[in-house]
Amino acid sequence: KAGVTQTPRYLIKTRGQQVTLSCSPISGHRSVSWYQQTPGQGLQFLFEYFSETQRNKGNFPGRFSGRQFSNSRSEMNVSTLELGDSALYLCASSPWQGTYEQYFGPGTRLTVT
Amino acid sequence: KNEVEQSPQNLTAQEGEFITINCSYSVGISALHWLQQHPGGGIVSLFMLSSGKKKHGRLIATINIQEKHSSLHITASHPRDSAVYICAVDPNYGQNFVFGPGTRLSVLP
Repeated sequence: KAGVTQTPRYLIKTRGQQVTLSCSPISGHRSVSWYQQTPGQGLQFLFEYFSETQRNKGNFPGRFSGRQFSNSRSEMNVSTLELGDSALYLCASSPWQGTYEQYFGPGTRLTVT
Repeated sequence: KNEVEQSPQNLTAQEGEFITINCSYSVGISALHWLQQHPGGGIVSLFMLSSGKKKHGRLIATINIQEKHSSLHITASHPRDSAVYICAVDPNYGQNFVFGPGTRLSVLP
């Protein structure tokens, strides 16, 4: 089975722009979670989707949004980028909602200049 | 006080040594995860625990729910074990992981 894939792997954007990141979960997995990792804050939960519904959202401003499609693929969007949004964005999939092992993608490294 | 704490922050060991990394948390949890992150960013899930002890090869993870404490042990450490080890707690059945700051392990040959 192919693992979790994320595109693009690297991205450079300018302050004020918006960005969309994509995550394709392992085939058959229905739950996708997104995380932000920065040197200062470490790993932080962004949101989780199951069956096209956002189940929970972390403590991030409304500029961060996401969605999940019927094939379980997910996108996250960040609008009006700030320098502090520079981070590694990771997605992880699991078979179902609830307490399951998470399978992580390689991440998208976003640099905001 | 952070909800999830790890010790030590950094650890350097000689190849072959027995290593212990500790995780303490302050919230109720449905499960605790140990993750491994290599340089470059990729994260691998090592264990998911809700009670007791699990073993996979040279890795052993234990959890004490009453004490709100978990340990990750590496027996016969090897340079390829060099990575950041992250403890993550699941307070609500997969809805909102809370991560520890990580322990950076270097194993010297």
